[in-house]
Amino acid sequence: EDQVTQSPEALRLQEGESSSLNCSYTVSGLRGLFWYRQDPGKGPEFLFTLYSAGEEKEKERLKATLTKKESFLHITAPKPEDSATYLCAVQARYSSASKIIFGSGTRLSIRP
Amino acid sequence: GAVVSQHPSWVICKSGTSVKIECRSLDFQATTMFWYRQFPKQSLMLMATSNEGSKATYEQGVEKDKFLINHASLTLSTLTVTSAHPEDSSFYICSARIGGIGTNEKLFFGSGTQLSVL
Repeated sequence: EDQVTQSPEALRLQEGESSSLNCSYTVSGLRGLFWYRQDPGKGPEFLFTLYSAGEEKEKERLKATLTKKESFLHITAPKPEDSATYLCAVQARYSSASKIIFGSGTRLSIRP
Repeated sequence: GAVVSQHPSWVICKSGTSVKIECRSLDFQATTMFWYRQFPKQSLMLMATSNEGSKATYEQGVEKDKFLINHASLTLSTLTVTSAHPEDSSFYICSARIGGIGTNEKLFFGSGTQLSVL
């Protein structure tokens, strides 16, 4: 069964304190792994798509990496405005977007 | 990036009434839209896939007669929660797909609707 597990469930950091969020997945052939940011009471905002092991993508203070079993979202020198829930999702090969499976998210809180 | 507009942002209704939520793709045409439900501190759970001009496909356990979906145009899908009850209170989110299967497929999400049934 396809599954996505994110850890930790919640993470509190001091401003400027770098860290990583983990997304472990099992899927019958990975077609794509997605990272989204979700603010309270809002819909998810697209961040990255990764397609193959070894791939990396960066956007401002965020960098996403992918292996055959997990993905990491590295946050470098975070600021309070980076506080949000970060969602990971996977899509199996030969499936449509209707079969994207979401993890339960990591709630990130950055203290000034 | 693509914009998906969802209205209303929040709604409070009495038990037994029906509530309609709209999801619009503002700058692109979306033949397929998706409706999700999210409980506090939990992930998104797919409810149904909405296809323009045809019947929606519902996930197992989702009552099609309770959650009516209409996708009458390439830019608009609606979700109607019929005879709402307190247990229907939740955060409902729509999304629209860009790119077909086999291409760089992406999902863009609406801002969500918080439904509270009294």
